[in-house]
Amino acid sequence: AQTVTQSQPEMSVQEAETVTLSCTYDTSENNYYLFWYKQPPSRQMILVIRQEAYKQQNATENRFSVNFQKAAKSFSLKISDSQLGDTAMYFCAFMKHVGSRYSGAGSYQLTFGKGTKLSVIP
Amino acid sequence: DTGVSQDPRHKITKRGQNVTFRCDPISEHNRLYWYRQTLGQGPEFLTYFQNEAQLEKSRLLSDRFSAERPKGSFSTLEIQRTEQGDSAMYLCASSLGPARYEQYFGPGTRLTVT
Repeated sequence: AQTVTQSQPEMSVQEAETVTLSCTYDTSENNYYLFWYKQPPSRQMILVIRQEAYKQQNATENRFSVNFQKAAKSFSLKISDSQLGDTAMYFCAFMKHVGSRYSGAGSYQLTFGKGTKLSVIP
Repeated sequence: DTGVSQDPRHKITKRGQNVTFRCDPISEHNRLYWYRQTLGQGPEFLTYFQNEAQLEKSRLLSDRFSAERPKGSFSTLEIQRTEQGDSAMYLCASSLGPARYEQYFGPGTRLTVT
């Protein structure tokens, strides 16, 4: 079974500064996907960024980037130029893939960490 | 693209009653997922549909829980004889598949069992 660990229950950052959220995972799989989701207070879960394990290049989406270290099973999220709207719970998630990427077969459930509550301070 | 919608957004029920939640996925998404999220935790997988077929169920899904997706579009999750431990946020997500695996979540249904 896969496990995802987020060791920082809460973090805070000054507006416009940079913050890094940590995530480690445990798996025996070789093919898998990793995600960061954002859940603002009383609002729905939003996909922030994704990373395929077979890609060595770290994913980037505007102010959000990841540091994916496959051997260390680490997947941290860096938020640059933090904005007040970044205040939210951030969840790291793991998805294993079984079968062909194009066959449609396999398991697609997400395994989530417990989350990190990020507060951006004006 | 109107996003994933869920109904109702909030449900308060007495212990022992049955409840049913509905999820409408993003149109043309053939995969639909149910998760449960309790306070202070990340979502936990419950079950997954590809079109109308229920392909995977978690052991968290006790016999009191049943999910359907009769025409491969919307889905319902029913909880029979609710217990206080069922109080949680029930989240629905959908994905396009097969090579588009990103899951997009709805706003959730918050269930409170008194």
